[in-house]
Amino acid sequence: KQEVTQIPAALSVPEGENLVLNCSFTDSAIYNLQWFRQDPGKGLTSLLLIQSSQREQTSGRLNASLDKSSGRSTLYIAASQPGDSATYLCAVRRRATSGTYKYIFGTGTRLKVLA
Amino acid sequence: DGGITQSPKYLFRKEGQNVTLSCEQNLNHDAMYWYRQDPGQGLRLIYYSQIVNDFQKGDIAEGYSVSREKKESFPLTVTSAQKNPTAFYLCASSIGTLDEQFFGPGTRLTVL
Repeated sequence: KQEVTQIPAALSVPEGENLVLNCSFTDSAIYNLQWFRQDPGKGLTSLLLIQSSQREQTSGRLNASLDKSSGRSTLYIAASQPGDSATYLCAVRRRATSGTYKYIFGTGTRLKVLA
Repeated sequence: DGGITQSPKYLFRKEGQNVTLSCEQNLNHDAMYWYRQDPGQGLRLIYYSQIVNDFQKGDIAEGYSVSREKKESFPLTVTSAQKNPTAFYLCASSIGTLDEQFFGPGTRLTVL
């Protein structure tokens, strides 16, 4: 059974710090992995999508890496700002034995950037 | 503006009632999804649709039903058979089922 784990569950850092969020998954047979942010009471905002053939993706101050063989992805946030405070979620996509698609989300890391 | 809209934002239901949550997208995406989010749990897939007039059950489809009569619309009905329907419901769409997913703002359903 595919499981997605995000550790730590919560993180507080001072403004300006570079930080890394972790996402681990048990089954390496994935199509892709997507990172999202979610503000309280809101929907999810897509940050980065990494295909299984890729090693990393970058968007502005964000960089996501993928190591399928070890079942890990990291989201690197450079020069953190208070506006980065949110919950960050990762999700993997793979094919189920029934032929349908499975989308499995982690429970997220709640980030607080202190001014 | 292109995007995904969900309505209503808040919904209250009495036990034994069916309710329908709306999801509309103007992104011209083929694939659409419904998720449920509960505190302390990851999002769980209820149903998804790859194309008009087709949909597949997700991990927790029992007590829910969907239709996909138009490309733009993917309504979710929460039936009285759903034992614990109080949750935050999120709709998403993507160009295809392996592409980047985009989410709507969500509907919070509370059963009284």
